[in-house]
Amino acid sequence: EVQLVESGGGLVQPGGSLRLSCAASGFSFSSYWMYWVRQAPGKGLVWVSRINTDGSSASYADSVKGRFTISRDNAKNTLYLQMNSLRAEDTAMYYCARKADDSNYGDYWGQGTLVTVSS
Amino acid sequence: SYVLTQPPSVSVAPGQTARITCGGNNVGRNNVHWYQQKPGQAPVLVVYDDSDRPSGIPERLSGSKSGNTATLTISRVEAGDEADYYCQVWDSSSDQDVFGTGTKVTVL
Repeated sequence: EVQLVESGGGLVQPGGSLRLSCAASGFSFSSYWMYWVRQAPGKGLVWVSRINTDGSSASYADSVKGRFTISRDNAKNTLYLQMNSLRAEDTAMYYCARKADDSNYGDYWGQGTLVTVSS
Repeated sequence: SYVLTQPPSVSVAPGQTARITCGGNNVGRNNVHWYQQKPGQAPVLVVYDDSDRPSGIPERLSGSKSGNTATLTISRVEAGDEADYYCQVWDSSSDQDVFGTGTKVTVL
C-alpha cells in the first residue's frame, strides 16, 4: 500500500526557516517524481514544487522560488522541503504527492502537515 | 502566470447532474486532471488525462474537454459527492503545474 506521511510542520516566526519531510513507503520511491502542494486555510490548492527521480532537477512556483528548496534522499525514501525567509502568506497545510509515472498528476497524496507563520 | 478558472460553486439536487468547468489558455493543448477534496481530507484524484478514471472511482464521474474548457461531470449525484473539486494542468511553457480556483459542489 502506498503511504506518504508528512512531518515537520509547526509554528515559526516570519523570516524563520522550517524543513518539512515526507516519508514514503509501499512503492519504489526512487522511481517516481514527487510534488509539494499547499493549501492556505479556507483556500484552494496551490502547487509549490516538483523534483525528478534522482534530485537533479526541480521546478518551483514563482511565489516560493529562491526561498524554498525541494530535495530527496532515495536511500531513506524521504522527500524534503526546506523553507527559508518564511512569510505570513506561507501559512498553509503542506501536502506531498507522488507524480504519476506517465503523466503530470498526483496519484497518491499524504495527509499534510500544517505550517503557521506568525509572530 | 497561467490561470485556470472554475465556478466558485455548483448546487445540484440528488439524482441530478453536476457539471464543473475549468477554463484557461492552452487547456486544449494540455492534459487536464481533476481532484476531489472533502473537508479535513487530502485531495483524491478522480479523473486524469482529460477523461480517464483511476480504479475505484465510479463511472458517474467523467471528464471531457472542448477547446480551452474542460468539464467534470457528476451524474446521478449523491450526498457523498459533496466536496471541493479542482482541475490541474502542467504548463509546459513555464514547467509549472497549476491548479484551478476550485469549485464547491453542494448537494441540495
